[in-house]
Amino acid sequence: KAGVTQTPRYLIKTRGQQVTLSCSPISGHRSVSWYQQTPGQGLQFLFEYFSETQRNKGNFPGRFSGRQFSNSRSEMNVSTLELGDSALYLCATTLAGYNEQFFGPGTRLTVL
Amino acid sequence: DQQVKQNSPSLSVQEGRISILNCDYTNSMFDYFLWYKKYPAEGPTFLISISSIKDKNEDGRFTVFLNKSAKHLSLHIVPSQPGDSAVYFCAASDNAGNMLTFGGGTRLMVKP
Repeated sequence: KAGVTQTPRYLIKTRGQQVTLSCSPISGHRSVSWYQQTPGQGLQFLFEYFSETQRNKGNFPGRFSGRQFSNSRSEMNVSTLELGDSALYLCATTLAGYNEQFFGPGTRLTVL
Repeated sequence: DQQVKQNSPSLSVQEGRISILNCDYTNSMFDYFLWYKKYPAEGPTFLISISSIKDKNEDGRFTVFLNKSAKHLSLHIVPSQPGDSAVYFCAASDNAGNMLTFGGGTRLMVKP
């Protein structure tokens, strides 16, 4: 089975721009969660989607948004980028009824 | 308020010996716990998990122990190998589903 894929792997943007990151889950996994990893804050939960609906949301501003498509692929969007948004953005997918989340390789976002 | 804490930022162990990584949590609603291993610039790799109805789970060289009354869990790696050198994260979730709360991580170095 192919693992979780994330595109792009690396991204450089400037302040004020917006960015869209993509995540394709493991086949059969319908839950997709997004996390942000920074040196100062560690791994923090952004939001989770299941069947195209946001089920859970972490404590991030409204500039961070996401969506899920009918094929379970998910995108997250960050608008009006700030320097502090520089981070590794990780997507994780889960099979329904299980707790184990399987992570993709991440997208490294650098905001200049 | 950090709900999941890994108080040791780093641990150094000789090859062949036991590695013990510790994790404490404060939220009584957590009922499922997971350990992940992470290399730089990669996503976390799932290692082992435990439900709150158990106090021990084994998978090969990895064993996780859960002490609910102390709100403490530990990961034992026996025997430790140089390839185990990585950052280890513990994570917890409640029965609401797929939002993982992570500890800050412990960097394990296994010396040959």
